[in-house]
Amino acid sequence: EVQLVESGGGLVKPGGSLRLSCAASGFTFSSYSMNWVRQAPGKGLEWVSSISSSSSYIYYADSVKGRFTISRDNAKNSLYLQMNSLRAEDTAVYYCARVAEGIVATGPFDYWGQGTLVTVSS
Amino acid sequence: EIVLTQSPGTLSLSPGERATLSCRASQSVSSSYLAWYQQKPGQAPRLLIYGASSRATGIPDRFSGSGSGTDFTLTISRLEPEDFAVYYCQQYGSSQGTFGGGTKVEIK
Repeated sequence: EVQLVESGGGLVKPGGSLRLSCAASGFTFSSYSMNWVRQAPGKGLEWVSSISSSSSYIYYADSVKGRFTISRDNAKNSLYLQMNSLRAEDTAVYYCARVAEGIVATGPFDYWGQGTLVTVSS
Repeated sequence: EIVLTQSPGTLSLSPGERATLSCRASQSVSSSYLAWYQQKPGQAPRLLIYGASSRATGIPDRFSGSGSGTDFTLTISRLEPEDFAVYYCQQYGSSQGTFGGGTKVEIK
C-alpha cells in the first residue's frame, strides 16, 4: 500500500525557518517525481515545488522561489522541503504528492499524504 | 505562468442531476496535460481525471473529462451523495503545475 506521511509542521515566527519531511513507503520511491502542494486555511490548492526522480529537474512556484528548497533522499525514501524567510502567507497545510507514472514532473498526483500544518505567526 | 480559471464558483444541484464544471487556461495547455481532483472537508485531494479525459484507477464512469487547448470540462453524469465536494483542475504541462481556484458542488 502506498503511504506518504508528512512531518515537521508547527508554529514559527515570521522570518523563521522550518524543514518538512515526507516519508514514503509501499512503492519504489526512486522511480517517481514528487511534489509539495499547500492549502491555506479555507482556501484552494497551490502547487509549491516539484523534484524529478533523480533530482535532475527541480521547479518552484514564483511565490516561494528563493526561499524554499526541495530535496529528496532516495536511500531513505524521503522528500524534504526547507522553508526559509517564512511569511504569514505561507501558513497552510502542506501536502506531499506522488506524480503518476509519466514523463512530466509536475503532475498528475495519484497519491497524497494527509498533510502537515505550518503556521507562521508572531 | 499558466492561470486556470474555474467556473462556476459554486454549483447547487440535487442528487441524480448532471454537473458540468469548467476550467479555462490563460494559454494552451501542452499535450492536454490537465487533471481534475476531488476534495472533501478534512481530506487530501483525490485524482479523478488526467490527460484531460482519462479516468484514474477506481474512478466511477459517471465522471468524465473533455477538452483541449484552453477549455476543459469535468462532467458528473448523475450526482451521487458522495460527489458533493470541491473540484480542482490542474495543468502540469509547464514547469509550474498550477491549480484552478476550485468549484464547490453543493446539495440544493
